[in-house]
Amino acid sequence: DAKTTQPPSMDCAEGRAANLPCNHSTISGNEYVYWYRQIHSQGPQYIIHGLKNNETNEMASLIITEDRKSSTLILPHATLRDTAVYYCIVRPNTGNQFYFGTGTSLTVIP
Amino acid sequence: GAVVSQHPSRVICKSGTSVKIECRSLDFQATTMFWYRQFPKKSLMLMATSNEGSKATYEQGVEKDKFLINHASLTLSTLTVTSAHPEDSSFYICSARRTPANTGELFFGEGSRLTVL
Repeated sequence: DAKTTQPPSMDCAEGRAANLPCNHSTISGNEYVYWYRQIHSQGPQYIIHGLKNNETNEMASLIITEDRKSSTLILPHATLRDTAVYYCIVRPNTGNQFYFGTGTSLTVIP
Repeated sequence: GAVVSQHPSRVICKSGTSVKIECRSLDFQATTMFWYRQFPKKSLMLMATSNEGSKATYEQGVEKDKFLINHASLTLSTLTVTSAHPEDSSFYICSARRTPANTGELFFGEGSRLTVL
């Protein structure tokens, strides 16, 4: 699986958009970009995933660059409950294992 | 949405005893389940892939005799930490992939915190 690089930590003001970057410069053509988050002492929660088109759901938006070497997860209006560690993972859609990197610890500030 | 449940959520045991953790997919069948371990302030580390009806596949460095995995049905996988020691204290998390897979996403349990005294 392609390796991902994320900043270790970020802060965001409550109500503002949180933009979390992820670099995956060695991504293969059949690998999807997945985002999960983990709130303290809980299991990871699925957020969104995509291949090459931008994606949006009720939780977030995923922007993937045209060369697919990086992506950004956008939480449009961050709340205090969005404070968590956010993991960017790349893997084939039919592949099995998810390998987690170190993630970004997002703190939403009142 | 799909739900994966783990039991127990917390367990404390004495050194040398064995502890079993259950992982159930509540509203879908899962041919494949995965077990992770997470130490404080660290990321999730994949331990093994649990396949229904066959032997689990362990990641490099994970002792298969120490961490026994059984996946006897399409909705249940168990992880048994044998002869537990304090260094086995950790947060254990399971995940499952829906069968047949439609989106490829994994669904995670709530985690089980093991403390070995």
